[in-house]
Parts: sequence; structure tokens; C-alpha cells
Amino acid sequence: DAGITQSPRHKVTETGTPVTLRCHQTENHRYMYWYRQDPGHGLRLIHYSYGVKDTDKGEVSDGYSVSRSKTEDFLLTLESATSSQTSVYFCAISGDHNEQFFGPGTRLTVL
Amino acid sequence: AQSVTQLDSQVPVFEEAPVELRCNYSSSVSVYLFWYVQYPNQGLQLLLKYLSGSTLVESINGFEAEFNKSQTSFHLRKPSVHISDTAEYFCAVTSTQGGKLIFGQGTELSVKP
Repeated sequence: DAGITQSPRHKVTETGTPVTLRCHQTENHRYMYWYRQDPGHGLRLIHYSYGVKDTDKGEVSDGYSVSRSKTEDFLLTLESATSSQTSVYFCAISGDHNEQFFGPGTRLTVL
Repeated sequence: AQSVTQLDSQVPVFEEAPVELRCNYSSSVSVYLFWYVQYPNQGLQLLLKYLSGSTLVESINGFEAEFNKSQTSFHLRKPSVHISDTAEYFCAVTSTQGGKLIFGQGTELSVKP
């Protein structure tokens, strides 16, 4: 298995609070991704990174920001959580042919 | 740009029966193709991939998929399924030139005893 961990694995928070999810890899891959997965919507790309301090938006980036200060860590921040951001969040890294390897996920509930 | 369509959202099947999960893609350039499996409450795992060469690719647990360029398809098959194959399966495509990995909406395979 690719060395990808996510923390926390579960989180319950209240509307309006900031939340940061962490993705950590031990594979030294350049590309990292954040997705959310919701019933009926499949996987949707939030943001991705192609190197330290290099990030770009995905298809559902509103309300989210990211940072990558080290190759191994990619942080996703919900600046002011809303109930619509209740979801399962997955981090992924890219292999040599753009196949992606996923972390175990973070289940976030916003009350 | 690429797109992926998984033709069945749910596939119920009895144990030991054969199964086919259908995937069609659209692309104006050469592609790499992938199947992922997601077991309940877990992340996605790469099941198999087509990069080049033989159009038939196999996984270690008995699944196979065939790349059909003329029909732009990459269907996943297994001749005899087990209860443990119950999961959601995602087809994905990316250009050989790089770019994003595009996922289908997923197919829920439910294997019944």
C-alpha cells in the first residue's frame, strides 16, 4: 500500500468553525490531491498540488483552501464549515502514469 | 478532455455467477485506463490498469478488463464472484500526456448468497 495517512479519521464540528484536515505521504510524490465523496456525486476534486507551494483548484474548490509547505504534507482547510461540507474526504497521490493512490479517508460531520 | 461513463449504477448478482461492470470513455487523445475498488468505509484501491501492450489486463483476485479502442470501452469482468467482492467499483481515465484523472460515477456490486 502507498504510504498515505490522513488525520483525523473522524471529526464532528459546528457550522462556522474552521477545520483543517491533514494528508501525509511517505512516497515523495510530487502530485497530491484532495477529493470529497458524496452519495450520488461520486468523487469530486477539490484542490491539488504539483509541488511545494504549488496548488490549483479543482471542480468544487469554493469554501476550501489548501497549503503544501513540505513535500510530504498537504493540508485542506474549511475556513468556515457549513453543513454542505459534511462529507468523506480523501487524499491521493499520483504514480508514474497518473494512477492515483488513496488514503483511508476522513469522515467530517458539520452540525 | 476525457470523460467516463459507467453504464450501471448497481449490479446485483448471485455468488459464483459471472459479472461484467461496464465502462465507456471519451477522449481525443491516447489514454491510460484504471479500475478502482472501494470496500465499505475504506478508501479506493487500484484494482488494475491498462497502460499499453496487451489489451487484456488482470488483477490478482480474478478480475480482468479489456481495453477496446474501437468501442472506447474498458469493461471489468469476473467469471465467478464471491461475497467478498461486494464493493463499489470506479472506472477512471487519464491522458497519456498527463492531466487530471477522471472518474466514473461508480457501480455498486452486490453479491448475494
